[in-house]
Amino acid sequence: GDSVTQMEGPVTLSEEACLTINCTYTATGYPSLFWYVQYPGEGLQLLLKATKADDKGSNKGFEATYRKETTSFHLEKGSVQVSDSAVYFCALSTQGGGADGLTFGKGTHLIIQP
Amino acid sequence: EADIYQTPRYLVIGTGKKITLECSQTMGHDKMYWYQQDPGMELHLIHYSYGVNSTEKGDLSSESTVSRIRTEHFPLTLESARPSHTSQYLCASSEYGLASTDTQYFGPGTRLTVL
Repeated sequence: GDSVTQMEGPVTLSEEACLTINCTYTATGYPSLFWYVQYPGEGLQLLLKATKADDKGSNKGFEATYRKETTSFHLEKGSVQVSDSAVYFCALSTQGGGADGLTFGKGTHLIIQP
Repeated sequence: EADIYQTPRYLVIGTGKKITLECSQTMGHDKMYWYQQDPGMELHLIHYSYGVNSTEKGDLSSESTVSRIRTEHFPLTLESARPSHTSQYLCASSEYGLASTDTQYFGPGTRLTVL
């Protein structure tokens, strides 16, 4: 079945550091790929998405490129802020067949220190 | 800004009680979902609906049930709560019926604790 693997956390960085959170996937068909963010005590918010190979999603300084050859969708940001502290989820969606929701990774807790 | 609401936000209840978690959205979305988020943060799809009178079970087996009588409303019910049901429950909706590219919009979640 479909699966998403993302790096374990917590990831602790200093403000203005560069961020990469790795995400790889296994899927049948042609998935769409998503990054969601969850701030403390809140639900998930879409951060960015890409729907086909080589697409780059970007939002709020974050970006991720859909790499079909490496089945990856790594999240990157050049300079993180304290306000970026949250849990980040990589997810995929495939059309049709079986339960038709998102398949999530286990989440990566990001902590940014001033 | 997504308009999807869940009540209550927090619920502490004793074993054996019947509970209903409410979820409503004002976006007119056809598709709605319930996810269970365990303390380790992992999310699992437990129910979904394509529209009115449609309900389907998700990847993770759950003792809960759902109903979809109105487009905007997708409540989840536990007939007899147990400590193993302690979790965070997230409701979501999306605009289109079948496309994998659809964005899902999430509510704030209900954190359920069963004593």
